[in-house]
Amino acid sequence: KQEVTQIPAALSVPEGENLVLNCSFTDSAIYNLQWFRQDPGKGLTSLLLIQSSQREQTSGRLNASLDKSSGRSTLYIAASQPGDSATYLCAVRAQGGSEKLVFGKGTKLTVNP
Amino acid sequence: AAGVIQSPRHLIKEKRETATLKCYPIPRHDTVYWYQQGPGQDPQFLISFYEKMQSDKGSIPDRFSAQQFSDYHSELNMSSLELGDSALYFCASSLNPFGRVADTQYFGPGTRLTVL
Repeated sequence: KQEVTQIPAALSVPEGENLVLNCSFTDSAIYNLQWFRQDPGKGLTSLLLIQSSQREQTSGRLNASLDKSSGRSTLYIAASQPGDSATYLCAVRAQGGSEKLVFGKGTKLTVNP
Repeated sequence: AAGVIQSPRHLIKEKRETATLKCYPIPRHDTVYWYQQGPGQDPQFLISFYEKMQSDKGSIPDRFSAQQFSDYHSELNMSSLELGDSALYFCASSLNPFGRVADTQYFGPGTRLTVL
């Protein structure tokens, strides 16, 4: 059974700092990995999707990497801003036709002005 | 661009009542997924439909049922509601051309269900 773990559970940083969020998964047979952002009580916004054959994806100040063999992904946020404060969720989709996403419990990020 | 629409956005029900949640996928998307996110929890997959047929099933209680209609919208029916059913229910949609696995699931804003 695929399990996704995110460390740390919460992170508080001053504005302008670069930071890394970690995601690990137990079964390396994944189809892709996706990072989401969730604001309190709100929906899920897709940030980056990495296919199993890819090593990284970039969008603006965000960079996500994937090391499938070791079951790890990182989300790098450069020059953090207070508006980045949210919960960041990592989700993996398994190979073999299952369509469900398996989520981690998220990292709650607070960027202080 | 059009997004996934869910209705209602908020719903309050009493124990043992029934509830129906609706999901309207992005136009031309043929697959819908339902997820349940309890307070402080990660989203859990419930069920999915492709071309109006159930395509995958997760931890959906027997009290819940769902279907996808000819216009591709989906409804999640929940009966004999329990306090533990209080959660945020997300619908997501994707396009699976020729039955191939799609890359991205696009999520709706969710329906917040409160059972009193």
